[in-house]
Amino acid sequence: QVQLQESGPGLVKPSQTLSLTCTVSGDSISNPNHYWSWIRQHPGKGLEWIGYIFYSGTAFYNPALKSRVAISVDTSKNQFSLNVTSVTAADSAVYYCATITLGRYSTSRWFDPWGRGTLVTVSS
Amino acid sequence: SYVLTQPPSMSVAPGQTASITCGGNNIGGRTVHWYRQKSGQAPVLVIYYDSDRPSGIPERFSGSNSGSTATLTISRVEAGDEADYFCQVWDSLSDHPIFGGGTKLTVL
Repeated sequence: QVQLQESGPGLVKPSQTLSLTCTVSGDSISNPNHYWSWIRQHPGKGLEWIGYIFYSGTAFYNPALKSRVAISVDTSKNQFSLNVTSVTAADSAVYYCATITLGRYSTSRWFDPWGRGTLVTVSS
Repeated sequence: SYVLTQPPSMSVAPGQTASITCGGNNIGGRTVHWYRQKSGQAPVLVIYYDSDRPSGIPERFSGSNSGSTATLTISRVEAGDEADYFCQVWDSLSDHPIFGGGTKLTVL
């Protein structure tokens, strides 16, 4: 059974860089049938996709966040990571990592499973 | 950009049927996936490929997709079904996911 676990600081100062890591167990991050993704959720709000990465290192980002976001993958550790630079209070949210399964068609891609999420607060 | 529209909230009595809609331009031409998020927990996939159920999801959960509306149907609603439900499609042009705003289901 695939499991994902987020880790990283729960408190980040404004203007600094938010860094999180997702550790994957029960599956190889080099599985060509999966992408690896970050999603965040502001308190009481909906789901905001941040970006995703393939094991080769190819990454795609939400255009609204692209200038400040970088996702990387470490196949030797079966982990992928998120960096968000120049954070503000608006970046305070619960951050989830999740597996994207590639379905039969290029339009058939879904998120399963998800990590439990980690709350990140941006405050001085 | 493509937009998915969900009613912000709905309520249903135990034992009744809940039909949660997800509207989008010709959404019937896309594949829709649904997630349940209970309070304080991570989202869980409940329907993929419009109507398929992952293992462990009760048969009470079903999905359909046609025209401009996709629907998640929960039969014989239980108190434990109270949660936020999100629909999702994948935009092939931009190669990224799109989420609906979510529907908060309250079990009376």
